[in-house]
Amino acid sequence: DQQVKQNSPSLSVQEGRISILNCDYTNSMFDYFLWYKKYPAEGPTFLISISSIKDKNEDGRFTVFLNKSAKHLSLHIVPSQPGDSAVYFCAASARGNKLVFGAGTILRVKS
Amino acid sequence: DTEVTQTPKHLVMGMTNKKSLKCEQHMGHRAMYWYKQKAKKPPELMFVYSYEKLSINESVPSRFSPECPNSSLLNLHLHALQPEDSALYLCASSRYISGTSGRQAYEQYFGPGTRLTVT
Repeated sequence: DQQVKQNSPSLSVQEGRISILNCDYTNSMFDYFLWYKKYPAEGPTFLISISSIKDKNEDGRFTVFLNKSAKHLSLHIVPSQPGDSAVYFCAASARGNKLVFGAGTILRVKS
Repeated sequence: DTEVTQTPKHLVMGMTNKKSLKCEQHMGHRAMYWYKQKAKKPPELMFVYSYEKLSINESVPSRFSPECPNSSLLNLHLHALQPEDSALYLCASSRYISGTSGRQAYEQYFGPGTRLTVT
């Protein structure tokens, strides 16, 4: 039972353009959502998060949007840079410290 | 400083060996975690320590034994592992546990991982 789904296994974007990574969830008890970036042979790096009481959170080039009615969140990266090429994991938490991760999306930014 | 360190970086062990993985953080975080990650899969939670006490065990086999000697250190003792236990083992820490401070702060910071191979 996948409670957090990232339906796009990979995404390819031109440098300078916008990257949009999507995530859907099924558990209505989730109240906190996070995005992590992971390079090969490294641990995930925390990028940005959003509480369920908000619908948008912005940090530099990264913006996360939350649509609770659709149980959908997205990560926008603008402008995309080659160094952004990595695996991006969406994660969610339900009033606790257990994170449920999606399967990940591989982002490739072409120069 | 948002660094979580893990040693060793790589570990090869036989099925009869006993070894330990170590994790350290100096961010004052009071929650620490062990995850297992197989190739092309998301991290899977194994254990959670809250204020040095085990709070979550995700039905992990007893051949994995966690230990939290103090608020900065987390160990994972390994004994009689199987080849299918080969994976990247990740340690993470976070500042708060929900309910203890009234503030939700679930950002977990991960270490680089230990690549474990069981032969």
